Amino acid sequence: AQSVAQPEDQVNVAEGNPLTVKCTYSVSGNPYLFWYVQYPNRGLQFLLKYITGDNLVKGSYGFEAEFNKSQTSFHLKKPSALVSDSALYFCAVRDVLPPDTGFQKLVFGTGTRLLVSP
Amino acid sequence: NAGVTQTPKFRILKIGQSMTLQCTQDMNHNYMYWYRQDPGMGLKLIYYSVGAGITDKGEVPNGYNVSRSTTEDFPLRLELAAPSQTSVYFCASSRPGTVPSGNTIYFGEGSWLTVV
Repeated sequence: AQSVAQPEDQVNVAEGNPLTVKCTYSVSGNPYLFWYVQYPNRGLQFLLKYITGDNLVKGSYGFEAEFNKSQTSFHLKKPSALVSDSALYFCAVRDVLPPDTGFQKLVFGTGTRLLVSP
Repeated sequence: NAGVTQTPKFRILKIGQSMTLQCTQDMNHNYMYWYRQDPGMGLKLIYYSVGAGITDKGEVPNGYNVSRSTTEDFPLRLELAAPSQTSVYFCASSRPGTVPSGNTIYFGEGSWLTVV
């Protein structure tokens, strides 16, 4: 079964510093990977996804993620953190239910809370 | 630009009561999903639907029912509410894709449900 792991429950970073939120994956076949962000009392917002192509994926709000096949990782990064980036971040991997019809569902990690201090 | 709309946003239920969480999307997406989010557990799939009239169980379907009479609507029903169903519920949708598909799944704002 497809799965992702987010090893850190919380990441603390000072405003202006670079941030990294870690995600590792375990899949059979090619991985389709996603990052979502959840602000307090809000739904999940799509940030970016990796399907194929360049290992560095650029997304919304200045975020990017680096796909590393040898390390089975898909870490979320931002060069300069903002206080407004404080939120809960979820990594997810596509899981295809048999038979393969093009339908997909997402399997989520447990989430990482990012706290950016002023 | 509505996207996926869920109602109600907050609800308190007594044990044994029933209720329906409403979900509608205006993006003409064939695929719709219900997830629940529990602290430290990520999101778990409850039910999903690949089109009107077609639904199937996800990872945690017990205690819930769904229907899909139209492309737009995908209500989730709790028949006999239990404290274990206290959670945040998210409806989501996506469009069909070719095989394999990497289409983005879009989420609603969530429904916070407490069973007491």
